[in-house]
Amino acid sequence: AQTVTQSQPEMSVQEAETVTLSCTYDTSESDYYLFWYKQPPSRQMILVIRQEAYKQQNATENRFSVNFQKAAKSFSLKISDSQLGDAAMYFCAYEANFNKFYFGSGTKLNVKP
Amino acid sequence: ETGVTQSPTHLIKTRGQQVTLRCSSQSGHNTVSWYQQALGQGPQFIFQYYREEENGRGNFPPRFSGLQFPNYSSELNVNALELDDSALYLCASRLQGRRGPETQYFGPGTRLLVL
Repeated sequence: AQTVTQSQPEMSVQEAETVTLSCTYDTSESDYYLFWYKQPPSRQMILVIRQEAYKQQNATENRFSVNFQKAAKSFSLKISDSQLGDAAMYFCAYEANFNKFYFGSGTKLNVKP
Repeated sequence: ETGVTQSPTHLIKTRGQQVTLRCSSQSGHNTVSWYQQALGQGPQFIFQYYREEENGRGNFPPRFSGLQFPNYSSELNVNALELDDSALYLCASRLQGRRGPETQYFGPGTRLLVL
């Protein structure tokens, strides 16, 4: 069964500093997709970054980057130069076969000015 | 703004009743998924519709059903409501093409309270 685990319920970071959110997953599939989503207090879920499992290169989107370790089934998100607007719930998610989606339980990120 | 809208924003029902939630997808998106997000938890996948047919389902009983229409709108129906059905219900739409699925775009959700 596919599961996604986020072991950090809450984290804090100082503005302008770097923070890393952890995610592990369990799967028997060889081809799949991994995502990080951000859910601000207004509730609308926004895609932060996406990684295809067949790609060895780690995805990067501006200040957001991932460390994808396929053998370890680990997919962490690094946020550089943290900004106040980064404060939100962050969800790690997994998809295979384009017809089922699994989310982790989320990490609440606080950004301190 | 993601271009995906949901209605209503809030809803209160009593146990045993039936409810219909609505979602309007981005134009051109042929796939819609529905999720249940209990308070303080991550979204749980309910099901996905592709070109008006269900093509994936999570661990939800048959009293959760859906419809997808050609005009890019969709519905989630829940019969015989239970207290545990109280949650935020999210829909997400995307395009599935030859290259595989594109990014999902989420709506703001409908908050359902079952008393």
